Amino acid sequence: DAGITQSPRHKVTETGTPVTLRCHQTENHRYMYWYRQDPGHGLRLIHYSYGVKDTDKGEVSDGYSVSRSKTEDFLLTLESATSSQTSVYFCAISDPLVANTGELFFGEGSRLTVL
Amino acid sequence: AQTVTQSQPEMSVQEAETVTLSCTYDTSENNYYLFWYKQPPSRQMILVIRQEAYKQQNATENRFSVNFQKAAKSFSLKISDSQLGDTAMYFCAFEAAGNKLTFGGGTRVLVKP
Repeated sequence: DAGITQSPRHKVTETGTPVTLRCHQTENHRYMYWYRQDPGHGLRLIHYSYGVKDTDKGEVSDGYSVSRSKTEDFLLTLESATSSQTSVYFCAISDPLVANTGELFFGEGSRLTVL
Repeated sequence: AQTVTQSQPEMSVQEAETVTLSCTYDTSENNYYLFWYKQPPSRQMILVIRQEAYKQQNATENRFSVNFQKAAKSFSLKISDSQLGDTAMYFCAFEAAGNKLTFGGGTRVLVKP
C-alpha cells in the first residue's frame, strides 16, 4: 500500500471555523491532489500540486486553499467552513517518473462534518 | 473539459453471476487512460483495472474485464463470477494529460448470496 496518511480522519466543526486537513506521504511522489466525495458526484478535484510551492485549482476550489512547503505534505484549508463543505476528503498521489501508468494512489479519506 | 457518466446508480447481482457496469466519457483528447476504482465500505479507493486508449485490446484482471469502445467513448466493466467481497461502489475515471482524474458519479454494486 502507498504510504499516505490523512489527518484527522474524522472531524466535526461549526460553521465559520477554520479547518485544516493534512496529507502526508512517504513515497516521495511529486504530484499530490485533494478530492472531495459527495453522493452522486463521485470524486471531484479541489486542488492539486505538481511540486513544492507549485499548486493549482481544480474544478471545485472555491472556499479552499492549499499549501505545499515540503514534498511529503499537502495541506487543505477551509478558511471559514460552511455546511456545503461537509464531505469526505481524499488525498491522492502520483508520479509519472515512478510509474507512468496514470494511476493515482489514495489515502483513506477524512470525513468532515460542518454543523 | 472531460466528463464521465455512469448511468446506473445501483445494481444487484447474485453470487457467482456476471454484472456489467456502464461508463461513457466525453473528451477531445486522443491519448488518455481509463480506470475503474472500487470503494468498499472501508472507504479505501482500490484500482480494479486500467486501459490505455492507444491499446485496442481490452484489459483483463482475473474476474474483471473491460469493453473499451474508443469511437463510442464507452468503457464498461464486467465482473464475472461475482463474490460477496465485490460489494462496493465502483467509479469509472478518465485521465488525459496532467495526471488529473475525472470521476463518474459511481455505481453501487450489491452481491447477494
